Amino acid sequence: EIVLTQSPATLSLSPGERATLSCRASQSVSSYLAWYQQKPGQAPRLLIYDASNRATGIPARFSGSGSGTDFALTISSLEPEDFAVYYCQQRSSWPALTFGGGTKVEIK
Amino acid sequence: QVHLVESGGAVVQPGRSLRLSCAASGFKFRSYGMHWVRQAPDKGLEWVAHIWYDGSNIYYADSVKGRFTISRDNLKNTLYLQMDSLRAEDTAIYYCARDLRAYFGSGIDWFDPWGQGTRVIVSS
Repeated sequence: EIVLTQSPATLSLSPGERATLSCRASQSVSSYLAWYQQKPGQAPRLLIYDASNRATGIPARFSGSGSGTDFALTISSLEPEDFAVYYCQQRSSWPALTFGGGTKVEIK
Repeated sequence: QVHLVESGGAVVQPGRSLRLSCAASGFKFRSYGMHWVRQAPDKGLEWVAHIWYDGSNIYYADSVKGRFTISRDNLKNTLYLQMDSLRAEDTAIYYCARDLRAYFGSGIDWFDPWGQGTRVIVSS
């Protein structure tokens, strides 16, 4: 099973600041990595797929990068609605799909 | 607009069975693979099962293999999850989610969009 490790567990930032979230895979997943956002009481939402492609309707302030084992999700300037939990997920080793443990982006 | 609505969640005793449903609307259901993903209380996400758009291929997480059965009715635009031999560790919100892309035949696609989930509690 491919283990995805997200860091940090919690990121405390102010609106307008830049956020950089990390996801590291225990073995190469090529570019088969996605990022999801989940707000309290809501279902997750796809932000980025195939490491760097924004899903439909996702603002340009969200960007993804990386390949192999190291990936990043960057939010260029945090808006109030961006404070949430973010998960990475890989599909390289399907059907053994796995998620990372999540990073909570909270208001400082 | 794509809409996925889960139902069937309940409180059940260990060892019992439960069937979840996911009613789909706003898209051509028969063209998309579908997933079940769960989230235990205050925990992260766990993929549970996937079924191809035509039902020809089905995949399960090891944690549910042999106990859960995913199926679909393309005439009723509905996805199902039959859960047997339930355990306390199956307690979670169960989400259905659609494949990102239609007719995706390269394994298993990304999850987009998701329903709002249905809660399953396994407790004596």
